[in-house]
Amino acid sequence: DAGVTQSPTHLIKTRGQQVTLRCSPKSGHDTVSWYQQALGQGPQFIFQYYEEEERQRGNFPDRFSGHQFPNYSSELNVNALLLGDSALYLCASSLPASFTDTQYFGPGTRLTVL
Amino acid sequence: AQSVTQLGSHVSVSEGALVLLRCNYSSSVPPYLFWYVQYPNQGLQLLLKYTTGATLVKGINGFEAEFKKSETSFHLTKPSAHMSDAAEYFCAVSSMEYGNKLVFGAGTILRVKS
Repeated sequence: DAGVTQSPTHLIKTRGQQVTLRCSPKSGHDTVSWYQQALGQGPQFIFQYYEEEERQRGNFPDRFSGHQFPNYSSELNVNALLLGDSALYLCASSLPASFTDTQYFGPGTRLTVL
Repeated sequence: AQSVTQLGSHVSVSEGALVLLRCNYSSSVPPYLFWYVQYPNQGLQLLLKYTTGATLVKGINGFEAEFKKSETSFHLTKPSAHMSDAAEYFCAVSSMEYGNKLVFGAGTILRVKS
């Protein structure tokens, strides 16, 4: 059973550029959440997608946007990159029916903004 | 609103000694509580979770945690540390009222000395 997969593993961009990160959820899961983990900090919730719509959003600017496809995979887009966007971006998948369901995390994408 | 405080950014124990990682939470509604572990360059893996019912929760790799509502705590323990336990540990809180987004603490790095 494939777990949560993310691509790419690492990415280097320069300030002002745009980036797209990808996530495939665990088999059978249809809810995808994205988190940003800055160095030395805990993950911060960015947003969550269910049925191709953004269901919840954390305290992140509109430069952060996302999309969920009919096969439940998801993309995270960040526009006008800032140095402070350098972080590990984690995708997590879960079942939507229960708020107690475990979120399964992927290995993350390490984004470096120069 | 919900928040998590993890006391001690670094904890060092000897192999075979008791592991105690502290977590206090703040929540205006009944919380769901989680402990995740993160090994270097990897995503997060769930150790255990508390939703309802028994307040002493057993997880993987010999870890357990006790939900104490009166103390707003959810400390993680393991009777005997192994070298393989060296990692970063995150406590997180969520609730039905806030959807199942996870609010994480800043993490505690556990070092195990031989």
